[in-house]
Amino acid sequence: AQSVAQPEDQVNVAEGNPLTVKCTYSVSGNPYLFWYVQYPNRGLQFLLKYITGDNLVKGSYGFEAEFNKSQTSFHLKKPSALVSDSALYFCAVKDSGGYNKLIFGAGTRLAVHP
Amino acid sequence: EPEVTQTPSHQVTQMGQEVILRCVPISNHLYFYWYRQILGQKVEFLVSFYNNEISEKSEIFDDQFSVERPDGSNFTLKIRSTKLEDSAMYFCAARKVGTSTDTQYFGPGTRLTVL
Repeated sequence: AQSVAQPEDQVNVAEGNPLTVKCTYSVSGNPYLFWYVQYPNRGLQFLLKYITGDNLVKGSYGFEAEFNKSQTSFHLKKPSALVSDSALYFCAVKDSGGYNKLIFGAGTRLAVHP
Repeated sequence: EPEVTQTPSHQVTQMGQEVILRCVPISNHLYFYWYRQILGQKVEFLVSFYNNEISEKSEIFDDQFSVERPDGSNFTLKIRSTKLEDSAMYFCAARKVGTSTDTQYFGPGTRLTVL
């Protein structure tokens, strides 16, 4: 069965520092991976996805993610964090066996401190 | 980013009552989904819907739940007899009917509180 793990409940970063939010996955077949962000009292906003091609994927708001097949990871990164990046981040994988439903990780709360 | 809208933003109901949650998907995004997020927990898939039929449903989606697209624009989730454990944030999502890797775009959610 497909699954996604986000090993950190919370990540704390100082503004201006690089940030990484970790995600590992387990799938049968090719992984199709997504990152979404959830701001307080808001829905899930799409950040980026990996389908195929370059292992470094660039997305919205300066975020990028690195796909690593050997480590089955898809970590979200940003070179310089902003206080406004503070939110809940979800990694997800497309279910290969179904009608494309997304399987989500538990989420990681990112707190960027001034 | 394409916008999916949902109404109401917050619904409070008594246990045993019926609720209908509404979603207006993006035009030309014809594959629909409902997910839910119980407070503090992960987002869980409920059901997918295409061409006026359920494509797939999770074990959460029991006989108390139903979905339909009554008028060609709205997409609804009905819970016939709500239980306390149905309290959650319910998200609608939509994607194009193109490749299976097309992005799902989510609405802002409806917070359902069952008392």
